[in-house]
Amino acid sequence: QKEVEQNSGPLSVPEGAIASLNCTYSDRVSQSFFWYRQYSGKSPELIMSIYSNGDKEDGRFTAQLNKASQYVSLLIRDSQPSDSATYLCAPTGGTYKYIFGTGTRLKVLA
Amino acid sequence: KAGVTQTPRYLIKTRGQQVTLSCSPISGHRSVSWYQQTPGQGLQFLFEYFSETQRNKGNFPGRFSGRQFSNSRSEMNVSTLELGDSALYLCASSMGGWASTYEQYFGPGTRLTVT
Repeated sequence: QKEVEQNSGPLSVPEGAIASLNCTYSDRVSQSFFWYRQYSGKSPELIMSIYSNGDKEDGRFTAQLNKASQYVSLLIRDSQPSDSATYLCAPTGGTYKYIFGTGTRLKVLA
Repeated sequence: KAGVTQTPRYLIKTRGQQVTLSCSPISGHRSVSWYQQTPGQGLQFLFEYFSETQRNKGNFPGRFSGRQFSNSRSEMNVSTLELGDSALYLCASSMGGWASTYEQYFGPGTRLTVT
């Protein structure tokens, strides 16, 4: 079993729709959960952090965490073509070892 | 506040050579992590340094090594380069403590091509 699993996509959504990106992880001691956005040819950019079960909203982005199910998701409301990128999930525990998912490629269609 | 900087941005080397990449973290950040990113393998963790000590490392051969200086700047070295080492090498810095201080900020990367 992979440590972090994400659907590679591409996930195609029409402009204005909600994009839902999912991530499951195997390390139960993971404490911090991050979502990064990576545009083609660029380095990853941190867009969301979540540490407690439940939802965390920041603008058009909502991160959802369920530690019991070892599941974290990212919702993007009112998706824009500029949101087209690869989204990387990174659960992190207490070992200072950072594991990233392979990412989900999102395409927002104008 | 200035972001993470990496030098050089692009590098072409020949098989068997060695290479040294440099990373300057965000001011005040004491942790530096290195990653290798390739299309097939995604973002792979190489190692993490905090206060000049390596705290963890990924599953890479001993040809990959790193160090951190007292000013938190870090270097990574790859010896005896192989074609498969061609990749984007990313450096990320964080404050390095617990929970929220794990937030990592990436540099622009060094694109290494081995011929």
